[in-house]
Amino acid sequence: NAGVMQNPRHLVRRRGQEARLRCSPMKGHSHVYWYRQLPEEGLKFMVYLQKENIIDESGMPKERFSAEFPKEGPSILRIQQVVRGDSAAYFCASSQGEGYTFGSGTRLTVV
Amino acid sequence: QKEVEQNSGPLSVPEGAIASLNCTYSDRGSQSFFWYRQYSGKSPELIMFIYSNGDKEDGRFTAQLNKASQYVSLLIRDSQPSDSATYLCAVPNSASKIIFGSGTRLSIRP
Repeated sequence: NAGVMQNPRHLVRRRGQEARLRCSPMKGHSHVYWYRQLPEEGLKFMVYLQKENIIDESGMPKERFSAEFPKEGPSILRIQQVVRGDSAAYFCASSQGEGYTFGSGTRLTVV
Repeated sequence: QKEVEQNSGPLSVPEGAIASLNCTYSDRGSQSFFWYRQYSGKSPELIMFIYSNGDKEDGRFTAQLNKASQYVSLLIRDSQPSDSATYLCAVPNSASKIIFGSGTRLSIRP
């Protein structure tokens, strides 16, 4: 039973480009959570999705960031027109009850 | 007041001693509490969860919960160098998303 799969592991983008981060939850899990972790800081909640629904996006920046979890395929976190401040580790987690299981994360570097 | 507060450390403990990590939370309605361990450059890993007041033991780890004081702690007995990591306290809020503390860095010195 594969865990939470995230790709790519590392992503380098130039300022102004788009970043797409993908997450496939554990088999049987229908809830996906995205968190961002800046260097030397804690995990900050971004968005909570179920299949085809955004349940809570209270942690998402108002501009440039969007997320989806289609009926088929992985969840996508999309960052348009990236800036240096977007450089961080982005973790996806899935849950089917108590507690989360995290993926290995995508480390985004904006140059 | 932050929803989940932890002392950032670093907390330095000699090998073989007990490491004590503390966490306070603001939402009195919280029912479950989690401890995650995160090694540098890695993803968080769930190591303990607790729902009821009192202690819960799992191997060298003991989680302690006091809902009246809104306080949860993690004790690590017989600390090993491999326990050196950041420990994150996590509490689901009323909107069912888990809020993480900023973490306590633990260093076990040989």
